[in-house]
Amino acid sequence: NAGVMQNPRHLVRRRGQEARLRCSPMKGHSHVYWYRQLPEEGLKFMVYLQKENIIDESGMPKERFSAEFPKEGPSILRIQQVVRGDSAAYFCASSPPVGTNTEAFFGQGTRLTVV
Amino acid sequence: GEDVEQSLFLSVREGDSSVINCTYTDSSSTYLYWYKQEPGAGLQLLTYIFSNMDMKQDQRLTVLLNKKDKHLSLRIADTQTGDSAIYFCAEIPTGGFKTIFGAGTRLFVKA
Repeated sequence: NAGVMQNPRHLVRRRGQEARLRCSPMKGHSHVYWYRQLPEEGLKFMVYLQKENIIDESGMPKERFSAEFPKEGPSILRIQQVVRGDSAAYFCASSPPVGTNTEAFFGQGTRLTVV
Repeated sequence: GEDVEQSLFLSVREGDSSVINCTYTDSSSTYLYWYKQEPGAGLQLLTYIFSNMDMKQDQRLTVLLNKKDKHLSLRIADTQTGDSAIYFCAEIPTGGFKTIFGAGTRLFVKA
């Protein structure tokens, strides 16, 4: 049973380009969470999704950021018109559909560098 | 409110014990976690403790929970150079789904 898979592991984008980060949850998991880790900081919650639904996006910046988790395929975190401040590690986690307080399993992260 | 605080740095000699401390503010948290992050790597769940426990031991790791003071600690016995990493304390409040992380404690192990 493969863990949470994120790709790419490293992504370099020029300012103004779009970044698309992908996350495939563990098999059987239908809940996906995205976190951002700025340099020298802890992880901050961004968004919580279930299949085809955004449950909580209270941590998402209001502009340029969007997330989806379609019925088929991985969850996508999309950042439009990237700026240097978007440079960070973006982690995805997944959990099974058994209620709250269930352990979330984390992927290896995508390290985005904006040049 | 939701907040998890940790000291930022800890330096120990190889073979000594390391104690990493954490305080949290949400007294309703049911699960409290310790994660390890090596340079350039993802998060590895080290251990967790339920809020109805005071202590949990797993090989070289001992977790102590003081619910009254909202204080959590991770003790690593016989610390090795391979233990050098960032250690994150985290909680999931009861009824919630977000994992709330501390800023991480950077453990340096000197040979």
